[in-house]
Amino acid sequence: AQSVAQPEDQVNVAEGNPLTVKCTYSVSGNPYLFWYVQYPNRGLQFLLKYITGDNLVKGSYGFEAEFNKSQTSFHLKKPSALVSDSALYFCAVRDDDYKLSFGAGTTVTVRA
Amino acid sequence: DAGVTQSPTHLIKTRGQQVTLRCSPKSGHDTVSWYQQALGQGPQFIFQYYEEEERQRGNFPDRFSGHQFPNYSSELNVNALWLGDSALYLCASSLVGETEAFFGQGTRLTVV
Repeated sequence: AQSVAQPEDQVNVAEGNPLTVKCTYSVSGNPYLFWYVQYPNRGLQFLLKYITGDNLVKGSYGFEAEFNKSQTSFHLKKPSALVSDSALYFCAVRDDDYKLSFGAGTTVTVRA
Repeated sequence: DAGVTQSPTHLIKTRGQQVTLRCSPKSGHDTVSWYQQALGQGPQFIFQYYEEEERQRGNFPDRFSGHQFPNYSSELNVNALWLGDSALYLCASSLVGETEAFFGQGTRLTVV
């Protein structure tokens, strides 16, 4: 069975500082990995994905993620965080039938 | 181009009642998946519809049922509501052969 884990419930950073949200995965085959963001009382917004190719994936709103096969990790990063990045972030893995399995989520708070 | 739309946005039901939630997929998408997101948790996969058939099902009881119409829109039905069914219900649409799923804003169901 496929799964992801987000080891941090919360991440707090100052505006302008780098932001990292951690995710590790477990799959039996090739990983299809995603990051989504959720603002209060809203659905999920797609940020980026890793299917194959370069280990550094660039996505929306200045976010990027680094795929590391040996460490089975897919950490989300942003070089300079904004207050507006404060939200709930979910890592997810997809199976061949397009079912997504999500982590528990990480709440990011960026202080001004 | 409209994205994924869900209705209603909020709903309050009494224990034992039945509820129907609706989803219109993103234009051109043929696959609809439903997820339940309880407070403070990541979304959990309920089931997926493709070509008007249930293709995959998560670990949810038979009280949860669904339907997909020829225009690819979908309904989620929950019978005999429990207090524990209170959650945000998310619909996601995708296209077979493409990678990411797009989510609606969700329906907030409160069972009292």
